[in-house]
Amino acid sequence: EDKVVQSPLSLVVHEGDTVTLNCSYEVTNFRSLLWYKQEKKAPTFLFMLTSSGIEKKSGRLSSILDKKELFSILNITATQTGDSAIYLCAVEPRTVQGAQKLVFGQGTRLTINP
Amino acid sequence: NAGVTQTPKFQVLKTGQSMTLQCAQDMNHNSMYWYRQDPGMGLRLIYYSASEGTTDKGEVPNGYNVSRLNKREFSLRLESAAPSQTSVYFCASRWYTEAFFGQGTRLTVV
Repeated sequence: EDKVVQSPLSLVVHEGDTVTLNCSYEVTNFRSLLWYKQEKKAPTFLFMLTSSGIEKKSGRLSSILDKKELFSILNITATQTGDSAIYLCAVEPRTVQGAQKLVFGQGTRLTINP
Repeated sequence: NAGVTQTPKFQVLKTGQSMTLQCAQDMNHNSMYWYRQDPGMGLRLIYYSASEGTTDKGEVPNGYNVSRLNKREFSLRLESAAPSQTSVYFCASRWYTEAFFGQGTRLTVV
């Protein structure tokens, strides 16, 4: 069974701190891993990772994938209160039919205090 | 640009009632998904459809049925609603890259 586990489940830090969110997975024939940010409503896309060791970066956010150890991390530097959200990790297993099944983890609830 | 449109946004049902959640996308995506999100939880996959005419079960399919009416539309039906189905439901569509989500349907079963 495909499985995605995120840690920690909840994290509270002060503005300006750097945080690292973890995502480990067990899937059949890995295809890609995606990170999303969810504030009040629908999740919004952050990164898609397919290759090990290649960092994706957008402003203060960055992410990297390790396909050997089956995990990814999402880093946020110089955190701001606007970074408070649930961060979701999703993995796409490669299926026989080529279907794009997308399995999410439980999410990490990040709270940034001023 | 509409993206993914879900209706309704809110719904209250009595136990045993049935209803259909509608989802439509205008991005010509082949894959569509239905997820549920309970408080403090991530997204759990109910059903997905890789292409028009195909559907597959996800992690929590019991109590639900789906129809991929055409490439644009993917509906989720609750035949006999139960309080355990109280949740926020998200529809999404995708083709190889990021998934785009609708704004969600908050469903309460009393």
